[in-house]
Amino acid sequence: EIVMTQSPATLSVSPGERATLSCRASQSVSSNLAWYQQKPGQAPRLLIYGASTRATGIPARFSGSGSGTEFTLTISSLQSEDFAVYYCQQYNNWWTFGQGTKVEIK
Amino acid sequence: QVQLQESGPGLVKPSQTLSLTCTVSGGSISSGDYYWSWIRQPPGKGLEWIGYIYYSGSTYYNPSLKSRVTISVDTSKNQFSLKLSSVTAADTAVYYCARATMAPYAFDIWGQGTMVTVSS
Repeated sequence: EIVMTQSPATLSVSPGERATLSCRASQSVSSNLAWYQQKPGQAPRLLIYGASTRATGIPARFSGSGSGTEFTLTISSLQSEDFAVYYCQQYNNWWTFGQGTKVEIK
Repeated sequence: QVQLQESGPGLVKPSQTLSLTCTVSGGSISSGDYYWSWIRQPPGKGLEWIGYIYYSGSTYYNPSLKSRVTISVDTSKNQFSLKLSSVTAADTAVYYCARATMAPYAFDIWGQGTMVTVSS
């Protein structure tokens, strides 16, 4: 099983600031990585796939980078609706998720 | 647009079998372009993929749950279903059905989720 490790567990950011979230895979997943956003009481929403491609309708302030074992999700200027939990997920070898990073208002 | 909706009992007794159904609307489950999956999330915790089924009936399960999981499809009803046997309190979770695209294999559409509690 490929283990996905996200850091930090919680990120405190002020509105308008940049947020940088990290995700590490226990072995290479190439670019087979996705990012999801989950708000309380809601299902996750696909943000990024292929490590860096935004899903349909996702604003340009969300960007993804990385390959192999190290990945980053950047939110360039946090809006109020961006405070949520973010999960990375690999799909190189079936599917496993990271434990999540909560982005909270500072 | 395609929508997914989970249904089933919200309370299951320990040692019994959890059964859920996902109804697909706005598109055909037989389109052949997707893997239809179940994913769960224990309260306050992260996401765990349970397994998927292709419209043809081929399946693949999370090895950690494989001995207890069965996923089936009913193309005539545009539904797929989950059965999880011998449940314990550790199986208490929100259960989601979701659609994974083919290349990339990301989950682009999710149901709203249904809470299942295992308790006597």
